[in-house]
Amino acid sequence: EAGVAQSPRYKIIEKRQSVAFWCNPISGHATLYWYQQILGQGPKLLIQFQNNGVVDDSQLPKDRFSAERLKGVDSTLKIQPAKLEDSAVYLCASSPRAVAGGRDTQYFGPGTRLTVL
Amino acid sequence: SQQGEEDPQALSIQEGENATMNCSYKTSINNLQWYRQNSGRGLVHLILIRSNEREKHSGRLRVTLDTSKKSSSLLITASRAADTASYFCATDATGEDYKLSFGAGTTVTVRA
Repeated sequence: EAGVAQSPRYKIIEKRQSVAFWCNPISGHATLYWYQQILGQGPKLLIQFQNNGVVDDSQLPKDRFSAERLKGVDSTLKIQPAKLEDSAVYLCASSPRAVAGGRDTQYFGPGTRLTVL
Repeated sequence: SQQGEEDPQALSIQEGENATMNCSYKTSINNLQWYRQNSGRGLVHLILIRSNEREKHSGRLRVTLDTSKKSSSLLITASRAADTASYFCATDATGEDYKLSFGAGTTVTVRA
């Protein structure tokens, strides 16, 4: 089966610009996650969707970050405006069931490496 | 906040040797998972161990869980160059079981 797809793989922007990332989860997976991974750290959950509803977005900086999952399939994550500290890898993951995220295996995409200058 | 902390931060071993890394966490958990991340790639799930389990095996991997000490270990036996990667533990804390909290990882280098 095809894995989680993400695009673009790399993005370089200047601070205060906008950027959007796209994720296509594994077909049929109910739950989708966006993580931020700063160099040298583990991934930090930004937002979790079950189907097209938000389960948790407590760590999403909502003044600049937004995410949506249309029709419970693809998802986009947007940053507007970007700050220097947003430089990181943004990982998308999906899991098969609409259950608590920690109780299911998560399948990760390759990530988008964002550099903010 | 990061629930799990891996130890050591980095590990260098010779091919064929065993590699052991540890994860400590702070609060009660439902499950603990281990993931591997090769350089520039996404994470790959290795093992999930539930709070009522003490040990699990998968191929050359052995995971133990000691809930009384709030710690877990991952053992990779007979390491190969392809095992070079970062390894992360992720916990599913009781009361926050909708999400995983990842540690900062252990970077393992296997020398040929």
